[in-house]
Amino acid sequence: DAMVIQNPRYQVTQFGKPVTLSCSQTLNHNVMYWYQQKSSQAPKLLFHYYDKDFNNEADTPDNFQSRRPNTSFCFLDIRSPGLGDAAMYLCATSEVDSGQETQYFGPGTRLLVL
Amino acid sequence: GQNIDQPTEMTATEGAIVQINCTYQTSGFNGLFWYQQHAGEAPTFLSYNVLDGLEEKGRFSSFLSRSKGYSYLLLKELQMKDSASYLCAVRLINDYKLSFGAGTTVTVRA
Repeated sequence: DAMVIQNPRYQVTQFGKPVTLSCSQTLNHNVMYWYQQKSSQAPKLLFHYYDKDFNNEADTPDNFQSRRPNTSFCFLDIRSPGLGDAAMYLCATSEVDSGQETQYFGPGTRLLVL
Repeated sequence: GQNIDQPTEMTATEGAIVQINCTYQTSGFNGLFWYQQHAGEAPTFLSYNVLDGLEEKGRFSSFLSRSKGYSYLLLKELQMKDSASYLCAVRLINDYKLSFGAGTTVTVRA
């Protein structure tokens, strides 16, 4: 089945220690998104790639970076995680210019910062 | 940004009906999505409304009034597995990004 895959499902890191979260998709969609979601809050868009073009949200901290080496994979790098970065990180994809452009989400990576 | 409001929590009995309202204030509205999110899991797509009116999909229906900036998700014949958070999300014209509400947590009781 076509899907969005995120690894790992749970990630524990130490305060200030860089961490990378990964996302892959078999949908061949042209846009990949990274969201941060804290408990009982709306998913907050951090950035997205339209093909190879990176689009950062204005309020995304510099501590968060992303890479998309090819259509299938996208990575979220947190350079120096703080306690406030503990959250669920959701990857999503969509095929822009397809009409409805529904976003499809991966299962998420829950990040814990010690 | 867009102001998207939904109730925080709702509780209903198995077999009953629940209506989750979503209001939004935005310019350049294009369409509204509803997603279901079980605890600790990813949001899954339920419906997408662009035009005014009611769209029915089995036990779930979604309604949109563009002039009132209002949508609702109607869940009928509630089952225990329907206990989840329900997120509404707005899409603007000439934009493919979504702005999400904080979600409504629905608890279904026996």
